[in-house]
Amino acid sequence: NAGVTQTPKFQVLKTGQSMTLQCAQDMNHEYMSWYRQDPGMGLRLIHYSVGAGITDQGEVPNGYNVSRSTTEDFPLRLLSAAPSQTSVYFCASRLTGKTNQPQHFGDGTRLSIL
Amino acid sequence: AQKITQTQPGMFVQEKEAVTLDCTYDTSDQSYGLFWYKQPSSGEMIFLIYQGSYDEQNATEGRYSLNFQKARKSANLVISASQLGDSAMYFCAMREAPNDMRFGAGTRLTVKP
Repeated sequence: NAGVTQTPKFQVLKTGQSMTLQCAQDMNHEYMSWYRQDPGMGLRLIHYSVGAGITDQGEVPNGYNVSRSTTEDFPLRLLSAAPSQTSVYFCASRLTGKTNQPQHFGDGTRLSIL
Repeated sequence: AQKITQTQPGMFVQEKEAVTLDCTYDTSDQSYGLFWYKQPSSGEMIFLIYQGSYDEQNATEGRYSLNFQKARKSANLVISASQLGDSAMYFCAMREAPNDMRFGAGTRLTVKP
């Protein structure tokens, strides 16, 4: 039972490079989200999806793109990496939109932009 | 505007004692959910406990309980009989349907032997 799988676990980029953070879940969850975690700021929502083909912006969407072509996958794209995007990125999923559903988190991707 | 406030950046507790981690929230919705997560030094996010806004009783899960005071908009986490393994970051979070979950800045708990 894999749950939420994020790859890679670590990545170093140079300013201006692009990359995709991968996220996959095998629980048939409708909802998926991307968060970034910075010291002293908790987790901030970047983008989320309520189902295949549907995405929406969170608190800090600038500089990131997402798509949801399948229920299982929700990749996060950095089009032109900036040092301000150095952070730990978490992907999460939950079964439905009901308020009582907890998020299931991946193990995170630690990203450094030089 | 900050919706979730955790006013204690760091807390210390003696092993085997109880500790309360504070969380206040801001919402005008009647229906919402409150969550606590634990993040150990290894980095993963572990779900601890949930409280619904319509739940009349405080939630409990083993050594974790949630002191829910709706009128004060507070949802404090109480850990009883602290263990060394409880040392971690703790995050309070809220979901207002249909929005996604928002988190507080966290409290770092250190359990002393």
